[in-house]
Amino acid sequence: GDSVTQMEGPVTLSEEACLTINCTYTATGYPSLFWYVQYPGEGLQLLLKATKADDKGSNKGFEATYRKETTSFHLEKGSVQVSDSAVYFCALTGNTGRRALTFGSGTRLQVQP
Amino acid sequence: DAGVTQSPTHLIKTRGQQVTLRCSPKSGHDTVSWYQQALGQGPQFIFQYYEEEERQRGNFPDRFSGHQFPNYSSELNVNALLLGDSALYLCASSQTGGTGWEQFFGPGTRLTVL
Repeated sequence: GDSVTQMEGPVTLSEEACLTINCTYTATGYPSLFWYVQYPGEGLQLLLKATKADDKGSNKGFEATYRKETTSFHLEKGSVQVSDSAVYFCALTGNTGRRALTFGSGTRLQVQP
Repeated sequence: DAGVTQSPTHLIKTRGQQVTLRCSPKSGHDTVSWYQQALGQGPQFIFQYYEEEERQRGNFPDRFSGHQFPNYSSELNVNALLLGDSALYLCASSQTGGTGWEQFFGPGTRLTVL
């Protein structure tokens, strides 16, 4: 079945450092790929998405590129802020059927001033 | 737009009891999905409701059941609670069709089973 693998956390960075959170996936066909963010005590918020190979999703300075050849969707940001501290989840859905989300286990990011 | 709302926020039950969680979807959405998020883990898909019927189900036992009402709101029922059912239960709504099928999540219900 479909699966998502993320790098384990926590990831601790200083403010203005560069961020990369690795995500690889296993799926049949051509899934849509997502990054969700979960701030403390809150539900999940969609951060960005990409629906086909070579698409780049971007939002709030975060970017991720759908790489079919390496089955990857790594999350990147050039300069993190303390307010970016949260748990980040990589996820996918199939492009047929009812499109349930399959999530990775999450990566906690801690940004220090 | 109130977004996706869930009730209650927190719930404490004992083993063997039954629980009902509720979800109201975002305005204009007709599909509701439920996910279980254990502590420190990613959410796992339980099931999805559309047109008042269960359309897709994840790897969860029959103790987990649901319902969708004509106004698109939904309930998740869990019978014979186990300690392992302690988790954050997330509801997500979406609109059939379109591209991407973006799902909007509610804040969740924290269930503790003692």
